[in-house]
Amino acid sequence: AQSVTQLDSQVPVFEEAPVELRCNYSSSVSVYLFWYVQYPNQGLQLLLKYLSGSTLVESINGFEAEFNKSQTSFHLRKPSVHISDTAEYFCAAALRGSNYKLTFGKGTLLTVNP
Amino acid sequence: DVKVTQSSRYLVKRTGEKVFLECVQDMDHENMFWYRQDPGLGLRLIYFSYDVKMKEKGDIPEGYSVSREKKERFSLILESASTNQTSMYLCASREGTGGAGNYGYTFGSGTRLTVV
Repeated sequence: AQSVTQLDSQVPVFEEAPVELRCNYSSSVSVYLFWYVQYPNQGLQLLLKYLSGSTLVESINGFEAEFNKSQTSFHLRKPSVHISDTAEYFCAAALRGSNYKLTFGKGTLLTVNP
Repeated sequence: DVKVTQSSRYLVKRTGEKVFLECVQDMDHENMFWYRQDPGLGLRLIYFSYDVKMKEKGDIPEGYSVSREKKERFSLILESASTNQTSMYLCASREGTGGAGNYGYTFGSGTRLTVV
């Protein structure tokens, strides 16, 4: 079965600092990877996804993630965070053969301080 | 944009009650899902459905059942609510049908259920 590990449950940073949220998955066979963001008191929103092709994927608000097959990782990065980036971030994977059901990590709470 | 609507934002129920959580999507998606979200545990799949009247167990189906009589509506049922079912419940709808597709899940805003 697919598993997704988010290595940090909480990441506090100062505004304008760079940030990396780490995610590892258990299988590299035909896996599709996602990052979702959940702002306080809201549902989850898709931030970015890797299906195939270029291993570096970007979102419209400055986040990027890189698919690394050899390290089975899909870390999320942003070079300069804003207070408004404070949210919980979930990494998720869908494995061919599992009928593409998403398996989620436990989440990383990013807190951006002034 | 796809919209997934969960009928209640907050719900308080008593132990032993039968509870219905409703979810409606407006984009004719075949795939719908129920997750529960708990601090430190992330999202865990309860049940999912790939078509009308179809249902499959997820990772934690015990104590729950589901109903999908119409394509747009997927209901989660707590047969006899217990305090350990106090949680945030999230419904999702998915584009694509098993094979190719962008697999993007659209989530509702969630129902925070408290069982007392």
